[in-house]
Amino acid sequence: QKEVEQDPGPLSVPEGAIVSLNCTYSNSAFQYFMWYRQYSRKGPELLMYTYSSGNKEDGRFTAQVDKSSKYISLFIRDSQPSDSATYLCAMNFGNEKLTFGTGTRLTIIP
Amino acid sequence: GAVVSQHPSWVICKSGTSVKIECRSLDFQATTMFWYRQFPKQSLMLMATSNEGSKATYEQGVEKDKFLINHASLTLSTLTVTSAHPEDSSFYICSARTYQGTGKYFGPGTRLTVL
Repeated sequence: QKEVEQDPGPLSVPEGAIVSLNCTYSNSAFQYFMWYRQYSRKGPELLMYTYSSGNKEDGRFTAQVDKSSKYISLFIRDSQPSDSATYLCAMNFGNEKLTFGTGTRLTIIP
Repeated sequence: GAVVSQHPSWVICKSGTSVKIECRSLDFQATTMFWYRQFPKQSLMLMATSNEGSKATYEQGVEKDKFLINHASLTLSTLTVTSAHPEDSSFYICSARTYQGTGKYFGPGTRLTVL
Protein backbone atom coordinates (compact mmCIF):
# COMPACT_ATOMS: atom_id res chain seq x y z
CA GLN A 1 0.00 0.00 0.00
CA LYS A 2 1.32 3.43 -0.95
CA GLU A 3 1.68 5.95 1.84
CA VAL A 4 -0.22 8.54 -0.17
CA GLU A 5 -2.95 7.67 -2.64
CA GLN A 6 -4.18 10.09 -5.27
CA ASP A 7 -6.42 9.41 -8.24
CA PRO A 8 -4.31 10.18 -11.33
CA GLY A 9 -7.33 11.18 -13.39
CA PRO A 10 -7.49 12.61 -15.94
CA LEU A 11 -10.24 14.90 -14.70
CA SER A 12 -12.04 17.23 -17.11
CA VAL A 13 -14.52 19.85 -15.96
CA PRO A 14 -16.18 22.82 -17.69
CA GLU A 15 -14.94 26.33 -17.02
CA GLY A 16 -16.53 27.87 -13.96
CA ALA A 17 -17.18 24.57 -12.21
CA ILE A 18 -15.94 23.71 -8.73
CA VAL A 19 -13.10 21.20 -8.79
CA SER A 20 -12.49 18.76 -5.97
CA LEU A 21 -9.13 16.99 -5.72
CA ASN A 22 -8.37 14.48 -3.00
CA CYS A 23 -5.67 12.42 -1.37
CA THR A 24 -5.75 9.78 1.30
CA TYR A 25 -2.82 8.70 3.39
CA SER A 26 -2.04 5.80 5.65
CA ASN A 27 0.44 7.18 8.16
CA SER A 28 -1.21 9.18 10.91
CA ALA A 29 2.17 10.70 11.81
CA PHE A 30 2.03 13.05 8.83
CA GLN A 31 1.67 16.57 10.17
CA TYR A 32 2.07 19.02 7.30
CA PHE A 33 0.09 18.93 4.10
CA MET A 34 0.73 20.71 0.86
CA TRP A 35 -0.80 21.07 -2.56
CA TYR A 36 1.35 21.77 -5.59
CA ARG A 37 0.41 22.69 -9.13
CA GLN A 38 2.66 21.46 -11.91
CA TYR A 39 2.35 22.60 -15.48
CA SER A 40 3.68 20.35 -18.19
CA ARG A 41 7.48 20.18 -18.17
CA LYS A 42 7.74 22.60 -15.28
CA GLY A 43 8.61 22.27 -11.61
CA PRO A 44 5.87 22.10 -8.97
CA GLU A 45 4.52 25.37 -7.60
CA LEU A 46 3.40 25.50 -3.98
CA LEU A 47 -0.30 26.41 -3.76
CA MET A 48 -1.36 25.65 -0.22
CA TYR A 49 0.39 24.68 3.00
CA THR A 50 -1.58 23.48 6.01
CA TYR A 51 -0.88 21.96 9.38
CA SER A 52 -4.04 21.42 11.35
CA SER A 53 -7.35 19.83 10.51
CA GLY A 54 -9.90 22.16 9.03
CA ASN A 55 -10.08 24.51 6.08
CA LYS A 56 -7.66 27.07 4.73
CA GLU A 57 -8.72 29.44 2.02
CA ASP A 58 -6.61 31.44 -0.43
CA GLY A 59 -8.48 33.16 -3.20
CA ARG A 60 -10.24 30.55 -5.31
CA PHE A 61 -8.44 27.71 -3.56
CA THR A 62 -9.50 25.95 -0.36
CA ALA A 63 -7.46 23.24 1.28
CA GLN A 64 -9.19 20.89 3.66
CA VAL A 65 -7.54 18.46 6.07
CA ASP A 66 -9.32 15.72 8.00
CA LYS A 67 -6.71 13.99 10.11
CA SER A 68 -9.20 11.62 11.70
CA SER A 69 -10.06 10.22 8.26
CA LYS A 70 -6.54 10.71 6.86
CA TYR A 71 -8.02 12.61 3.97
CA ILE A 72 -7.09 15.92 2.38
CA SER A 73 -8.80 17.89 -0.33
CA LEU A 74 -8.21 20.87 -2.56
CA PHE A 75 -11.18 22.78 -3.93
CA ILE A 76 -10.92 25.19 -6.83
CA ARG A 77 -13.82 27.58 -7.29
CA ASP A 78 -14.70 29.30 -10.55
CA SER A 79 -12.22 27.12 -12.40
CA GLN A 80 -10.34 28.70 -15.31
CA PRO A 81 -8.58 27.14 -18.33
CA SER A 82 -5.32 28.37 -16.78
CA ASP A 83 -5.96 25.99 -13.88
CA SER A 84 -5.36 23.08 -16.25
CA ALA A 85 -2.33 21.30 -14.78
CA THR A 86 -1.34 18.34 -12.67
CA TYR A 87 -2.07 18.80 -8.98
CA LEU A 88 0.13 16.99 -6.49
CA CYS A 89 -0.57 16.52 -2.82
CA ALA A 90 2.43 16.18 -0.52
CA MET A 91 2.96 15.69 3.17
CA ASN A 92 5.66 15.22 5.75
CA PHE A 93 6.27 14.49 9.41
CA GLY A 94 7.64 17.91 10.15
CA ASN A 95 11.06 16.85 8.93
CA GLU A 96 12.50 17.59 5.52
CA LYS A 97 11.29 14.69 3.44
CA LEU A 98 8.14 15.19 1.41
CA THR A 99 6.01 12.26 0.32
CA PHE A 100 4.04 12.98 -2.81
CA GLY A 101 0.89 11.59 -4.33
CA THR A 102 1.02 10.56 -7.97
CA GLY A 103 -0.75 13.74 -9.05
CA THR A 104 -4.13 14.35 -10.70
CA ARG A 105 -4.16 15.70 -14.22
CA LEU A 106 -6.86 18.36 -14.49
CA THR A 107 -8.24 19.93 -17.66
CA ILE A 108 -10.64 22.87 -17.57
CA ILE A 109 -12.71 22.97 -20.72
CA PRO A 110 -13.56 26.48 -21.99
CA GLY B 1 7.91 33.76 -2.95
CA ALA B 2 11.28 32.12 -2.97
CA VAL B 3 12.82 31.57 -6.40
CA VAL B 4 14.79 28.51 -7.37
CA SER B 5 16.45 28.17 -10.76
CA GLN B 6 17.93 25.20 -12.57
CA HIS B 7 20.36 24.97 -15.42
CA PRO B 8 20.18 23.58 -17.98
CA SER B 9 16.47 23.18 -18.57
CA TRP B 10 17.02 20.46 -21.16
CA VAL B 11 20.05 18.35 -21.97
CA ILE B 12 20.65 15.55 -24.42
CA CYS B 13 23.77 13.46 -24.06
CA LYS B 14 25.32 10.26 -25.31
CA SER B 15 25.37 7.13 -23.21
CA GLY B 16 28.45 6.97 -21.01
CA THR B 17 28.93 10.70 -20.61
CA SER B 18 28.44 12.72 -17.45
CA VAL B 19 25.98 15.55 -17.04
CA LYS B 20 25.97 18.28 -14.42
CA ILE B 21 22.77 20.01 -13.35
CA GLU B 22 22.83 23.19 -11.26
CA CYS B 23 20.24 24.31 -8.74
CA ARG B 24 20.37 27.84 -7.38
CA SER B 25 18.30 29.69 -4.81
CA LEU B 26 18.12 33.21 -6.20
CA ASP B 27 16.75 35.34 -3.41
CA PHE B 28 17.37 33.36 -0.25
CA GLN B 29 19.93 31.16 1.40
CA ALA B 30 19.10 27.48 1.28
CA THR B 31 20.77 25.44 3.96
CA THR B 32 19.12 22.33 2.58
CA MET B 33 18.40 21.34 -1.00
CA PHE B 34 16.62 18.29 -2.30
CA TRP B 35 16.92 16.43 -5.57
CA TYR B 36 13.95 14.62 -7.06
CA ARG B 37 13.42 12.52 -10.13
CA GLN B 38 10.14 12.33 -11.97
CA PHE B 39 9.36 9.80 -14.68
CA PRO B 40 6.53 10.50 -17.14
CA LYS B 41 3.10 10.48 -15.51
CA GLN B 42 4.61 9.54 -12.19
CA SER B 43 5.12 11.49 -9.02
CA LEU B 44 8.30 12.99 -7.67
CA MET B 45 10.67 10.61 -5.99
CA LEU B 46 13.21 12.01 -3.59
CA MET B 47 16.74 11.01 -4.55
CA ALA B 48 18.84 12.79 -1.96
CA THR B 49 19.01 15.58 0.57
CA SER B 50 22.01 17.86 0.64
CA ASN B 51 23.07 20.22 3.38
CA GLU B 52 25.53 22.99 2.70
CA GLY B 53 29.05 21.94 3.53
CA SER B 54 28.30 18.29 4.25
CA LYS B 55 27.76 15.05 2.39
CA ALA B 56 24.41 14.35 0.84
CA THR B 57 22.02 11.81 2.29
CA TYR B 58 20.73 9.43 -0.36
CA GLU B 59 17.42 7.62 -0.38
CA GLN B 60 17.36 3.87 -0.45
CA GLY B 61 18.06 2.50 -3.90
CA VAL B 62 19.80 5.63 -5.21
CA GLU B 63 23.41 5.04 -6.19
CA LYS B 64 25.56 7.69 -4.57
CA ASP B 65 28.47 7.00 -6.90
CA LYS B 66 26.28 7.53 -9.92
CA PHE B 67 24.45 10.63 -8.74
CA LEU B 68 27.06 12.94 -7.26
CA ILE B 69 25.71 15.84 -5.26
CA ASN B 70 27.67 18.86 -4.19
CA HIS B 71 26.28 21.66 -2.04
CA ALA B 72 29.25 23.97 -1.81
CA SER B 73 27.42 27.18 -0.96
CA LEU B 74 24.14 28.36 0.53
CA THR B 75 22.78 29.17 -2.91
CA LEU B 76 24.10 26.42 -5.14
CA SER B 77 23.80 22.65 -5.31
CA THR B 78 24.84 20.49 -8.24
CA LEU B 79 23.79 17.02 -9.32
CA THR B 80 26.16 15.15 -11.62
CA VAL B 81 24.83 12.07 -13.37
CA THR B 82 27.94 10.04 -14.08
CA SER B 83 28.21 7.57 -16.95
CA ALA B 84 24.64 8.26 -17.92
CA HIS B 85 22.55 5.53 -19.56
CA PRO B 86 19.20 5.70 -21.33
CA GLU B 87 17.40 4.52 -18.19
CA ASP B 88 18.63 7.69 -16.46
CA SER B 89 16.51 9.75 -18.84
CA SER B 90 14.08 11.59 -16.62
CA PHE B 91 12.97 14.95 -15.29
CA TYR B 92 15.24 16.07 -12.45
CA ILE B 93 13.89 18.69 -10.09
CA CYS B 94 15.56 20.37 -7.16
CA SER B 95 13.93 22.12 -4.26
CA ALA B 96 15.29 24.33 -1.55
CA ARG B 97 14.28 24.85 2.02
CA THR B 98 14.11 28.40 3.20
CA TYR B 99 15.91 29.28 6.39
CA GLN B 100 12.59 29.54 8.18
CA GLY B 101 11.67 26.10 6.90
CA THR B 102 8.15 27.04 5.93
CA GLY B 103 7.43 25.05 2.79
CA LYS B 104 9.49 23.87 -0.10
CA TYR B 105 10.15 25.74 -3.32
CA PHE B 106 10.96 23.88 -6.49
CA GLY B 107 13.09 24.67 -9.47
CA PRO B 108 11.68 24.46 -12.99
CA GLY B 109 13.29 21.08 -13.59
CA THR B 110 15.86 19.69 -16.01
CA ARG B 111 14.86 17.20 -18.65
CA LEU B 112 17.66 14.73 -19.30
CA THR B 113 17.62 12.54 -22.38
CA VAL B 114 20.36 9.97 -22.74
CA LEU B 115 20.76 8.53 -26.20
